[in-house]
Amino acid sequence: GQQVMQIPQYQHVQEGEDFTTYCNSSTTLSNIQWYKQRPGGHPVFLIQLVKSGEVKKQKRLTFQFGEAKKNSSLHITATQTTDVGTYFCAGPHFNKFYFGSGTKLNVKP
Amino acid sequence: DGGITQSPKYLFRKEGQNVTLSCEQNLNHDAMYWYRQDPGQGLRLIYYSQIVNDFQKGDIAEGYSVSREKKESFPLTVTSAQKNPTAFYLCASSIGTALAYGYTFGSGTRLTVV
Repeated sequence: GQQVMQIPQYQHVQEGEDFTTYCNSSTTLSNIQWYKQRPGGHPVFLIQLVKSGEVKKQKRLTFQFGEAKKNSSLHITATQTTDVGTYFCAGPHFNKFYFGSGTKLNVKP
Repeated sequence: DGGITQSPKYLFRKEGQNVTLSCEQNLNHDAMYWYRQDPGQGLRLIYYSQIVNDFQKGDIAEGYSVSREKKESFPLTVTSAQKNPTAFYLCASSIGTALAYGYTFGSGTRLTVV
C-alpha cells in the first residue's frame, strides 16, 4: 500500500534554532498535506501543496513540494516554544490519506 | 461554531466488553473517518464513509464496526474481538474525499482497557 515515510522521528532544538521535517513517498502524490498536533491534542490542518515544486509560507513556516511530487518538507525558522508538537504529513491514495509517523518537535527555552 | 464533537473524552473498557465512541459533526461535511493513534505513532485508518448509509474498511478494521445512518453522525464500536484496543481514537471529517480539502479532527477519545 501507500507508504509515506517521515524523518526525523524526534527533534530537540533550542529556542531560536531552525527545524526541518521531511516526508517521502514511494509513489507520486497528487497533493500532500501537513498537520500539527500539540501535546495531548488533536491534529490540525496546516496546509496543502498541489503543484510540483510548490513553496508556501505561513509566517515562520515554509512548506515545499518536490519537483517529482514524491517528497515534501516543512521548515520552521527561529523556533518558539509554541511550535512544540508533532508534525505529520499526509498523502492521498485513492480516497484515503496515509499519514506519516510524524516528527515530534521539542523546543527548549 | 461548527466542528466535530467526540465523546466521551476518556473511556475505560473491561475485557470482553463492547464500547461505542460517538462522533458528531455540524460542518455539513460529506465524508467522515475514524483513525487510531498509538503512542509515538502516526494515524491509522479504521473506517471511512463518504456518504450516508455507506462506509468502507480502512487498514485496521478488524474488531471495529461503524454505522452512518445520518450525515452528522459516525459512531465507532470497539468490539471484544479487538485484541489491543487501548489507544487514542480520532474522528475526522472533510467536505469531499479530503483529497482536495484538509481533514477537520475532533478532540479524540482515549480508550483504556482495564
